[in-house]
Amino acid sequence: SYELTQPPSVSMSPGQTARITCSGDGLPNHYVYWYQQKPGQAPVLVIYKDRERPSGIPERFSGSSSGTRVTLTISGVQADDEADYYCQSADNSGTWVFGGGTKLTVL
Amino acid sequence: QVQLQESGPGLVKTSETLSLTCTVSGGSISSDSWNWIRQPAGKGLEWIGRIYTSGITHYSPSLKSRITVSLDMAKNQFSLSLSPVTAADTAVYYCARGLTSQKYSDGWYRSNYFDLWGRGTLVTVSS
Repeated sequence: SYELTQPPSVSMSPGQTARITCSGDGLPNHYVYWYQQKPGQAPVLVIYKDRERPSGIPERFSGSSSGTRVTLTISGVQADDEADYYCQSADNSGTWVFGGGTKLTVL
Repeated sequence: QVQLQESGPGLVKTSETLSLTCTVSGGSISSDSWNWIRQPAGKGLEWIGRIYTSGITHYSPSLKSRITVSLDMAKNQFSLSLSPVTAADTAVYYCARGLTSQKYSDGWYRSNYFDLWGRGTLVTVSS
């Protein structure tokens, strides 16, 4: 089955730039979407179509793509950004797939 | 504004049927797709299945033999049925609205992203 690979954890100090990667062989063909999930809450969409930001999402969240890897960048990390982040995409059979998730810790 | 709310039993016996309903309020259910996603405690998200307003469904290959997703447009609801269940099906179940986007590479490739989610409901499977 198709898999998206994320690092399990990333740690940053406030004000630094956090980069969370998501890798998958099918990413050149399919868009990637990113979700933020805080404990006890439903996920929230923070990036769609690789790099688009929904209304209400701070400008410090951005996305980029290159080949089989996409990156979620959080510039000037704040304590409130501490959460789990999931990438999501699709395989060629119409199945939607999530990455394993990355826990962002703000030190 | 559009809101989603899951409802259904919080406890299901092993080998029986898990049934959940998602009610869409504040708007019409006539959007791209309606999805179910689950998350076992302490683990990641797993997409389960979706239904389009046309009635077309698509299920996760790992659950395809046990799952049915249906739509009741008159009630602005869609539902999940999973049977038979085991302890491995214990999870928080989310319903979510899926919006379609298409990317051109060597052809057009379609995918959904989830812009609206319910708050989730915990379903425990136990004997």
